[in-house]
Amino acid sequence: EIVLTQSPGTLSLSPGERATLSCRASQSVSSSYLAWYQQKPGQAPRLLIYGTSSRATGIPDRFSGSGSGTDFTLTISRLEPEDFAVYYCQQYGSSPWTFGQGTKVEIK
Amino acid sequence: EVQLVESGGGVVRPGGSLRLSCAASGFTFDDYAMRWVRQAPEKGLEWVSGINWNGGSIGYADSVKGRFTISRDNAKNSLYLQMNSLRVEDTALYYCARAHYTTGAFDIWGQGTMVTVSS
Repeated sequence: EIVLTQSPGTLSLSPGERATLSCRASQSVSSSYLAWYQQKPGQAPRLLIYGTSSRATGIPDRFSGSGSGTDFTLTISRLEPEDFAVYYCQQYGSSPWTFGQGTKVEIK
Repeated sequence: EVQLVESGGGVVRPGGSLRLSCAASGFTFDDYAMRWVRQAPEKGLEWVSGINWNGGSIGYADSVKGRFTISRDNAKNSLYLQMNSLRVEDTALYYCARAHYTTGAFDIWGQGTMVTVSS
């Protein structure tokens, strides 16, 4: 099983700042099968990024993904008020598909 | 509108059973693989089970293998999860999700149905 470890656990930032979230895998993940999801309180997760760097439909371009092998990054270039949420990375190339434990982006 | 609606959750004693359903609409259901994902209270996401478009390929997390059974009825645009021998640690919000047909990412999610296992 591929274990995904996200850091930091919590990121305290102000609107307009840049957010950098990390996801590290216990073994190599195909870049085609790494995704990022956003979850707000009381809501289902929403797909942001798939295939490491492709934005899902309707996702603004302030969200970007990068990485390869065992190290992946989600970057939010300028935080908007609606971006404060929990973010999960996921690998879906090797069963069992696994999620990271999440990074909470909170308002400073 | 593309939509997934889960139902069937509730409160059950340890050792009991429940059957969850997920009704799909707004897309061609049998074009897509489907997944179940759960989230324990105040915890992260855990993949539970997945099924391909025709039920010919199925997988389970080790935590539910032998107790849960995933199935689908393409004629009814529905996905199911039969949950037997439930444990306290199965308490969670259960989501169904669609796997995008080319990328495999979980691109559409329902709002979830809550399962509580308690004595």
